[in-house]
Amino acid sequence: KQEVTQIPAALSVPEGENLVLNCSFTDSAIYNLQWFRQDPGKGLTSLLLIQSSQREQTSGRLNASLDKSSGRSTLYIAASQPGDSATYLCAVKGGVTQGGSEKLVFGKGTKLTVNP
Amino acid sequence: DAGITQSPRHKVTETGTPVTLRCHQTENHRYMYWYRQDPGHGLRLIHYSYGVKDTDKGEVSDGYSVSRSKTEDFLLTLESATSSQTSVYFCAISGSGAYEQYFGPGTRLTVT
Repeated sequence: KQEVTQIPAALSVPEGENLVLNCSFTDSAIYNLQWFRQDPGKGLTSLLLIQSSQREQTSGRLNASLDKSSGRSTLYIAASQPGDSATYLCAVKGGVTQGGSEKLVFGKGTKLTVNP
Repeated sequence: DAGITQSPRHKVTETGTPVTLRCHQTENHRYMYWYRQDPGHGLRLIHYSYGVKDTDKGEVSDGYSVSRSKTEDFLLTLESATSSQTSVYFCAISGSGAYEQYFGPGTRLTVT
């Protein structure tokens, strides 16, 4: 059974700091990995999608990397701002243990607080 | 933003009553999903659909049923709501394989 772990569960940083959020998964045979952002009381917003053949994806101040062989992904946020405060979720699609299914398996998220 | 809506957005119901939540998409995506989100458990898949009238169970399907009679609509039914089904329910859509999954705004359901 695919399991996704996100560490740390919560992170508090001062504004302007560069930071890294971590995601690990147990079955490396994935189709892709997706990072989401969730604001309190809101739905999930897709931030970045990394295909299994890719090593990284970038969007603005965000950079996500993928190392399939080690079952790890990182989300790098440059020059953090108070508006980045949210919960960040990592999810993987597919995997041998899921019969290569179309289902996403989610981590429980990292709650980020960026202090002014 | 992906064209995906959920209705109702908020609902309060009593234990034992039937409840149906609706997800509607305008993207013509093949896959549709229902999740629930609870503190301490994160997002958990209830059911998903891979085409009209084609559905399968997720990890927390007990007490829930689904139907998809049209590409654009995916219904989640609680046949007899219980307090343990108080949660926020999210619908999501996706193309096959390498496509992103997009989420709706959620429905907050309270069972009293």
